Amino acid sequence: QKEVEQDPGPLSVPEGAIVSLNCTYSNSAFQYFMWYRQYSRKGPELLMYTYSSGNKEDGRFTAQVDKSSKYISLFIRDSQPSDSATYLCAMLTTSGTYKYIFGTGTRLKVLA
Amino acid sequence: ETGVTQTPRHLVMGMTNKKSLKCEQHLGHNAMYWYKQSAKKPLELMFVYSLEERVENNSVPSRFSPECPNSSHLFLHLHTLQPEDSALYLCASSQDLVNSPLHFGNGTRLTVT
Repeated sequence: QKEVEQDPGPLSVPEGAIVSLNCTYSNSAFQYFMWYRQYSRKGPELLMYTYSSGNKEDGRFTAQVDKSSKYISLFIRDSQPSDSATYLCAMLTTSGTYKYIFGTGTRLKVLA
Repeated sequence: ETGVTQTPRHLVMGMTNKKSLKCEQHLGHNAMYWYKQSAKKPLELMFVYSLEERVENNSVPSRFSPECPNSSHLFLHLHTLQPEDSALYLCASSQDLVNSPLHFGNGTRLTVT
């Protein structure tokens, strides 16, 4: 079983839709959770960085962590064509490690 | 320049060539990383430097050789590569070695012929 599972997509939605992107994980020691956005021919860009459980909001983006279910989500409200990209989740334990575990990414297409 | 800058953006090399990838971070971070990104695979950690000291060499073949002359610059020297080494090579930095988010450059797209 992979440590982090992420549906590769592509996920196609109409402009203005609410998008839900998800990752599941198996290691209960993960405490730090990140979402990255990667445009074609670019490097990953940090979108959200959260610690432990709960929600974090930044503009149109909301990150949600459910540690009991080992499930994290990224919600995008009022999606725009410019949100079309690949979204990567990443996780880290608190054991003083630098070894981030990444998902394979979900490709999102927002149709105008 | 801001953030993390990588050069060149694209590189095509034969299996007998020697080339180098360069990374520079303008964030004042203490840790720098090389990652390999291949299609449909998670990012693979290759090397980690903290305050110019290598702290990780993640079972990477010796045909990849990193160099970190100071906390702002990181190189990846390449020689006698194989076609399966073709990938996007990403440099990243973080404020501290642990529990700090990564900030990535735009990568070097490497093709080995």
